[in-house]
Amino acid sequence: EAAVTQSPRNKVAVTGGKVTLSCNQTNNHNNMYWYRQDTGHGLRLIHYSYGAGSTEKGDIPDGYKASRPSQENFSLILELATPSQTSVYFCASGDVGGTEQFFGPGTRLTVL
Amino acid sequence: GDQVEQSPSALSLHEGTSSALRCNFTTTTRSVQWFRQNSRGSLINLFYLASGTKENGRLKSAFDSKELYSTLHIRDAQLEDSGTYFCAAASSSFSKLVFGQGTSLSVVP
Repeated sequence: EAAVTQSPRNKVAVTGGKVTLSCNQTNNHNNMYWYRQDTGHGLRLIHYSYGAGSTEKGDIPDGYKASRPSQENFSLILELATPSQTSVYFCASGDVGGTEQFFGPGTRLTVL
Repeated sequence: GDQVEQSPSALSLHEGTSSALRCNFTTTTRSVQWFRQNSRGSLINLFYLASGTKENGRLKSAFDSKELYSTLHIRDAQLEDSGTYFCAAASSSFSKLVFGQGTSLSVVP
C-alpha cells in the first residue's frame, strides 16, 4: 500500500483564500518535504521538516507555511492563495542521514 | 546555487533501441536519485545511488561523485518506458534534492 499519501488530489481555490494541503507517511521517516512542480520543470523545495514540531524553509518558501504536528503528518498552508501558486505539489519522506526520498502522488492546485 | 544539468531535454527512441541520459552536477553531490514521471504525474523511484552502478532489468545507472555526473542507460526500449525522466542530486545541506529539468522520452514503434 502507498506509503506517502496526499489530500486532496485536486483542489480549486479562489485568490485570497486559505488552502491546506495534507501529507501522511507510514514509512516512519523523520524527514518530510514539500515540493512544487511547474509545467516543463523539475521539482523545487518549498519547506521541509526533520521531525514533529519542526519546519524549515526550503528554496522557495515565500507565500507558504508548513506544519508538522506528528511524525506521520506534514501540511502545507497557503494563507492567501494567489494564481502564481497554481501548480502540482508533491510531498516526500526520507530517512535521517539518508537521502533517498519517497514521493506521494501529488496534488494539483488551481488558484483562480 | 546548486544546479543539475540534465540532457538531452527530449529524446525519441524506436522500440528495441538503447540510449543514455546524463546529469552533470555543479557542486559536490552526496547521492543521486532517478525518477520516471508517468502520464498520471506520479514519480516512480528508479534508482538511488551513493556511488558506483546499479542495474534493474533494462535500466542501468551510474554515479561518479568525483567527476560530478550520473547516467541512466535504457536498453531495448519499450513503449512503456515513455515518460519524463528526472535526476535529483542530494546536496550537502540537509539532504534536500535538487532536480534536473527532465528528459522527455518517447518510445515509438
